[in-house]
Amino acid sequence: GENVEQHPSTLSVQEGDSAVIKCTYSDSASNYFPWYKQELGKGPQLIIDIRSNVGEKKDQRIAVTLNKTAKHFSLHITETQPEDSAVYFCAASIDQFYFGTGTSLTVIP
Amino acid sequence: DTEVTQTPKHLVMGMTNKKSLKCEQHMGHRAMYWYKQKAKKPPELMFVYSYEKLSINESVPSRFSPECPNSSLLNLHLHALQPEDSALYLCASSLDPTPSTDTQYFGPGTRLTVL
Repeated sequence: GENVEQHPSTLSVQEGDSAVIKCTYSDSASNYFPWYKQELGKGPQLIIDIRSNVGEKKDQRIAVTLNKTAKHFSLHITETQPEDSAVYFCAASIDQFYFGTGTSLTVIP
Repeated sequence: DTEVTQTPKHLVMGMTNKKSLKCEQHMGHRAMYWYKQKAKKPPELMFVYSYEKLSINESVPSRFSPECPNSSLLNLHLHALQPEDSALYLCASSLDPTPSTDTQYFGPGTRLTVL
């Protein structure tokens, strides 16, 4: 099956700075790449996604880039705010979702 | 509306108890999922229902028994669980019945503790 690696496992940034989380995948047949934010005690919430026929997608302060050749995709959060603090999971999808191991983001006020 | 609801929010049960988790969505989604999530880990897929039929069972022990009574409801029946089954149980749904290419929307989860 697919193998998704996610880095870093923890990330601390000052409020207003940018945060970048990177994921790599192993199976070139993966064609859908969602990102989820999970706050403490809650279920994962989709924040942005990208399909294999697109290289970049942006939604306000959040953007995702996909490099199919290198088999990696990244989440970029600009102008971070304390409410961005959470665990972020990437996923790659073929027959099912394969999740990365998660990144715990802390935004320091 | 992209809401998936789950009840109960918390459940404590003994190893000899029988209990059920319930999940509901009214978005017309045709695929529904059960995931198990341990602390500080990603969700692990347990079961997938497509058009109310079980399509994926990820070698889950028989003490977990899923049921899909209709297109909006998904249950997970629990019996003779072990303490290591304590986890957050997440339900999700997606519009596309092919569980690979469509956005999955997650519920808030049921926090299960097995004593």
